[in-house]
Amino acid sequence: NAGVTQTPKFQVLKTGQSMTLQCAQDMNHEYMSWYRQDPGMGLRLIHYSVGAGITDQGEVPNGYNVSRSTTEDFPLRLLSAAPSQTSVYFCASKTGFDSPLHFGNGTRLTVT
Amino acid sequence: EDQVTQSPEALRLQEGESSSLNCSYTVSGLRGLFWYRQDPGKGPEFLFTLYSAGEEKEKERLKATLTKKESFLHITAPKPEDSATYLCAVQEGQNFVFGPGTRLSVLP
Repeated sequence: NAGVTQTPKFQVLKTGQSMTLQCAQDMNHEYMSWYRQDPGMGLRLIHYSVGAGITDQGEVPNGYNVSRSTTEDFPLRLLSAAPSQTSVYFCASKTGFDSPLHFGNGTRLTVT
Repeated sequence: EDQVTQSPEALRLQEGESSSLNCSYTVSGLRGLFWYRQDPGKGPEFLFTLYSAGEEKEKERLKATLTKKESFLHITAPKPEDSATYLCAVQEGQNFVFGPGTRLSVLP
């Protein structure tokens, strides 16, 4: 009954470092997405995928890469971390077109 | 481009004091309006989906309603455990546009 699992829960990076945020879901959802949440700005879509091998950009994709090699996993890569990428990152998935999103519990990232 | 705003930004209620949260949206062709609850340090948790004006959904002390331009989340006789941030979102194609949320505090 895991749902959407994100790792790590917390991460501190120095400017210029790279890292991968992991997201896995066990609900066989075709659609997966990454959001960032900043105070007063709500959740903003970074990248999304409608199935294995298919990814697309959201509202704020710069500085992030994604890939979708399996239905279950959707990792988010930060290529060269910047302080502006300090945020809480959420992975979410859903089943049908009009279905609600199911969220993980987030990764809190600080870039110094 | 779809826009979603929420008011108030923060709301403090006494236990038992009913109130409403507002979600206003501009969208060309609403496919669905979604309400979520978010507790500190957690991901948003789905509450309701509303699809057409006039529709209402209820769950315990919460009732969501929808008009052509806004949605209300009514909280009746709230308890301290209802304290959370409430988010609304509209569906834009495959994706969602979220409002900034209303932070609700219910004092005992």
